Amino acid sequence: AQTVTQSQPEMSVQEAETVTLSCTYDTSESDYYLFWYKQPPSRQMILVIRQEAYKQQNATENRFSVNFQKAAKSFSLKISDSQLGDAAMYFCAYRSGYGQNFVFGPGTRLSVLP
Amino acid sequence: KAGVTQTPRYLIKTRGQQVTLSCSPISGHRSVSWYQQTPGQGLQFLFEYFSETQRNKGNFPGRFSGRQFSNSRSEMNVSTLELGDSALYLCASSAYGTNYGYTFGSGTRLTVV
Repeated sequence: AQTVTQSQPEMSVQEAETVTLSCTYDTSESDYYLFWYKQPPSRQMILVIRQEAYKQQNATENRFSVNFQKAAKSFSLKISDSQLGDAAMYFCAYRSGYGQNFVFGPGTRLSVLP
Repeated sequence: KAGVTQTPRYLIKTRGQQVTLSCSPISGHRSVSWYQQTPGQGLQFLFEYFSETQRNKGNFPGRFSGRQFSNSRSEMNVSTLELGDSALYLCASSAYGTNYGYTFGSGTRLTVV
């Protein structure tokens, strides 16, 4: 079974600075997808960024980018120019390309300090 | 367009009762999944439906069941509630399959007393 690990239960960053959230996963599959979701206090999970395992190029969405290291099974999220609205729980998620459900990591609570 | 709508937002039930939660996906989305979120276990997959058929089921007891209607709306039911069923239940929908990521609702907070 696949597992997703987020080793940082909590992190903090100063407004306008850069922060990196870590995620590692374990799988024997070659076809899969990785995601970062954000859950603010409103409870709604919001898709931040998505990466297809067969793509070498790291995904980028505005201030959010990932460092995907397939061999190391690592998928970190970098948030640049952090804003107060970035404060939330961040979940890393794995989805098999063979029709399985999502597997979520335990989450990292990010605080943004003014 | 409207997002994923879950009703009710909050619910308090007594042990032994049953409960039904509702989820209306984004218009045009045919895939609906349910997750249970608790502080101890995190996000755990319950079930996934596509075109009224259950495609996947997580490792939950038979007290947890679900269904999807022809308009893609979904319900999940929990019978004989236990204190441990207290959780945030999240519904998510997708248009092209979950490889493209879900759009989540704001969840139903169920408290069992």
